[in-house]
Amino acid sequence: GQQVMQIPQYQHVQEGEDFTTYCNSSTTLSNIQWYKQRPGGHPVFLIQLVKSGEVKKQKRLTFQFGEAKKNSSLHITATQTTDVGTYFCAGNTGTASKLTFGTGTRLQVTL
Amino acid sequence: DAGITQSPRHKVTETGTPVTLRCHQTENHRYMYWYRQDPGHGLRLIHYSYGVKDTDKGEVSDGYSVSRSKTEDFLLTLESATSSQTSVYFCAISDVLGAGNTIYFGEGSWLTVV
Repeated sequence: GQQVMQIPQYQHVQEGEDFTTYCNSSTTLSNIQWYKQRPGGHPVFLIQLVKSGEVKKQKRLTFQFGEAKKNSSLHITATQTTDVGTYFCAGNTGTASKLTFGTGTRLQVTL
Repeated sequence: DAGITQSPRHKVTETGTPVTLRCHQTENHRYMYWYRQDPGHGLRLIHYSYGVKDTDKGEVSDGYSVSRSKTEDFLLTLESATSSQTSVYFCAISDVLGAGNTIYFGEGSWLTVV
């Protein structure tokens, strides 16, 4: 079955440093979504990427979808303590498919 | 936040007892899901529903059953709880499948099986 892996599993940064998480799928994806889960909370949708090579930005967050549509990345510039949480990617393989979630990257930010 | 209510939010139960988790939505979305979240595994789909009385298995369905008698309610039952089913359970909803199917999650139900 489809597998979606994320690296790293955990990253601890100082506030102001940059952070990147990578998502890799075993199969070609039709689209990829990113979710954020705050500690003790539930996952919340951030963004969806559909096109090969697509790049989208949300303030300090930059999302990229690979040319082969099998990988994606989330980059946070100048992290803040409010960025703390676990970031999940999730991919679809077809028009009627269900999302497969990645294993998640937990980000810890300290002052 | 989407109108999704899970109950109970926290439960401790003994091995071998039946447990039912309830998910109620007010969004009239067609698709409803049950996920479990465990460290190192992310979110894994247990079962999902694509309509009243229409359900299908996810990747970790063994030991779980579901029912959907109304659009707004999706129940997850552990027939005989085991310690390996200690987890956080999230209900989720969406109005489509495939591209564009943003999933909205409930607050989660923390289940401990002792």
